[in-house]
Amino acid sequence: EAGVAQSPRYKIIEKRQSVAFWCNPISGHATLYWYQQILGQGPKLLIQFQNNGVVDDSQLPKDRFSAERLKGVDSTLKIQPAKLEDSAVYLCASSLDHLSYEQYFGPGTRLTVT
Amino acid sequence: AQSVAQPEDQVNVAEGNPLTVKCTYSVSGNPYLFWYVQYPNRGLQFLLKYITGDNLVKGSYGFEAEFNKSQTSFHLKKPSALVSDSALYFCAVRAYGGSQGNLIFGKGTKLSVKP
Repeated sequence: EAGVAQSPRYKIIEKRQSVAFWCNPISGHATLYWYQQILGQGPKLLIQFQNNGVVDDSQLPKDRFSAERLKGVDSTLKIQPAKLEDSAVYLCASSLDHLSYEQYFGPGTRLTVT
Repeated sequence: AQSVAQPEDQVNVAEGNPLTVKCTYSVSGNPYLFWYVQYPNRGLQFLLKYITGDNLVKGSYGFEAEFNKSQTSFHLKKPSALVSDSALYFCAVRAYGGSQGNLIFGKGTKLSVKP
């Protein structure tokens, strides 16, 4: 079975620019998560989707971050405008549903903001 | 609030020796506990989980973890370490409330196994 796909793998932008990340979860997985992993820290949840609806976005900085999962399959996370502190690895994960215990993670997108 | 603590930034072990990576948790209600491993430039890989049942949980690559409710701990163990076990290990607890399903991670412990 194909794993969680993410692109791009690496991105370097200047502060105040915009950037978008793409995630394609495992086929049939209803729940999709975006995590932010800052160097030296564990991943932190940004947003959780159940199909195309948002379950939890309480830790998403909504003034600059947005995410969508329009058709309940793949998802896009956008940052506009980026700040230096947004430099991190952005991980996408999926699970069969929101009650599933096991989450499957993609390789991540490493963002550097200069 | 739910939280996970990994008190060691790094653990150094000689190949062939047993290893332990420590994790303690704080959660209201029964905890769902997980261990993930992260190799350089790769995503997190699931190792094992504790949901209910036996306190000793066996997982991938020969790893196991012991759930201790009285000490609120979930330490990761392996009887004989391999150089290839060198990686970053994360303990996680499942949160409850409005964010069902998402995980709260510790800051990670770097495991270094020397030949």
